[in-house]
This record gives sequence, C-alpha cells and structure tokens, in this order.
Amino acid sequence: DAMVIQNPRYQVTQFGKPVTLSCSQTLNHNVMYWYQQKSSQAPKLLFHYYDKDFNNEADTPDNFQSRRPNTSFCFLDIRSPGLGDAAMYLCATSIRGPQETQYFGPGTRLLVL
Amino acid sequence: AQSVAQPEDQVNVAEGNPLTVKCTYSVSGNPYLFWYVQYPNRGLQFLLKYITGDNLVKGSYGFEAEFNKSQTSFHLKKPSALVSDSALYFCAVSGNTGGFKTIFGAGTRLFVKA
Repeated sequence: DAMVIQNPRYQVTQFGKPVTLSCSQTLNHNVMYWYQQKSSQAPKLLFHYYDKDFNNEADTPDNFQSRRPNTSFCFLDIRSPGLGDAAMYLCATSIRGPQETQYFGPGTRLLVL
Repeated sequence: AQSVAQPEDQVNVAEGNPLTVKCTYSVSGNPYLFWYVQYPNRGLQFLLKYITGDNLVKGSYGFEAEFNKSQTSFHLKKPSALVSDSALYFCAVSGNTGGFKTIFGAGTRLFVKA
C-alpha cells in the first residue's frame, strides 16, 4: 500500500545532541510537510517542500532544518535539541496545492533528556 | 490571516446518539476546509473536505459536515456514534490566497460512552 513512513517511531536524544528524523513516501506526492505537535495540541507547520523548493515558516526556530534529497525522502534535522523541543513530529504529503488532502505518517515522538 | 476555532475541548455522547463537533473559521477568499481524526500515538487521518460545490460533504466512517458560509462554520456530524469514534478531531482550513499553509484548530476530544 502507498503510504507515508516515519522512522524511528520513538527517538530519545540528549540536550544539545543533534538528531535527525526521517520520512519517506511511496505516494509520489509533490509536497512534503513537517509539523510539530505537543501534547495533543494543534499540529504546527515547521516547513514544507514543493518538489525541491523549500518553504520555511516565519516562526520556525533556526535550530530546525530540513533536507529533501529526492521525491521520496525528507529529513528533519534538529541541530541542538532543547527540552522544549520534545514533541511528536509529523510528516505529511500532498499532491500539490492547499486544496489537496494531506496524508500523514504515524509520527516520531522525540524525547529530550 | 487564516484561523480556525474549535470551541469545545471535549464532547461526550452516548453510543447510538448523534454527535456534532463544532468548527468555525476565518480566511480571506474561498476556504478549503478539512476534518482529520487522530487516534493515540498515531498521525492524523483524513475524514472529509469541502472545496466547492454542495455544502453537505460526506466522508469516511459515516461522518459528514456542512459548510455554512454565512456563519463561517463547518461542523462535523454523525447520525449514530460508535465507541470506536472516540478520538481527537481536528478542523483545518487553508485558503486559496494563503499558499500551502494549513491552519489546524486546537482539537476536540470526542468520548463515546457505551
């Protein structure tokens, strides 16, 4: 089945130690999104890629970066995780425009010690 | 600026009774409106969306929603609730002038009691 896959499902890191979360998709969608979700709150968009074009939200901290080496894969890099970065990180994809349904992966829960 | 409000943190309903989860929105231009559901420790799953056309939208698992432009609302409904419908529900809005950004509401937790 076509899907959005996130690895790992749970990630433990230390304060200040860089961490990378990964997302892959078999849907061949143009757009890939990264969201941060804390404690069952509303998902907050960090950034998205439309094909190779990167779009950062204005309030996304510089500590968060992303890479999309090809259509299928997208990575979220947290350069120096703080305790406040502990959250669920959701990857989503859509075909193209804002009218399209987003397909979410299961999420990666990040714990910062 | 786009925004969406879900006025109820929690909705409780007995199994077999109808349920309504409320959502209101604010957006420039014509809205694209969505409902997603989230089960514990899972990603969001799409239920239904309104883009244009018929104001009554039918979606997955027997859910439906009605777009009301004058009241800027998009309430989620189901005629007969199931215990398995218990989950966290998010309303979301994107606009045709807002780029790719989708704004999610704070979420409403639905409890269906047997």
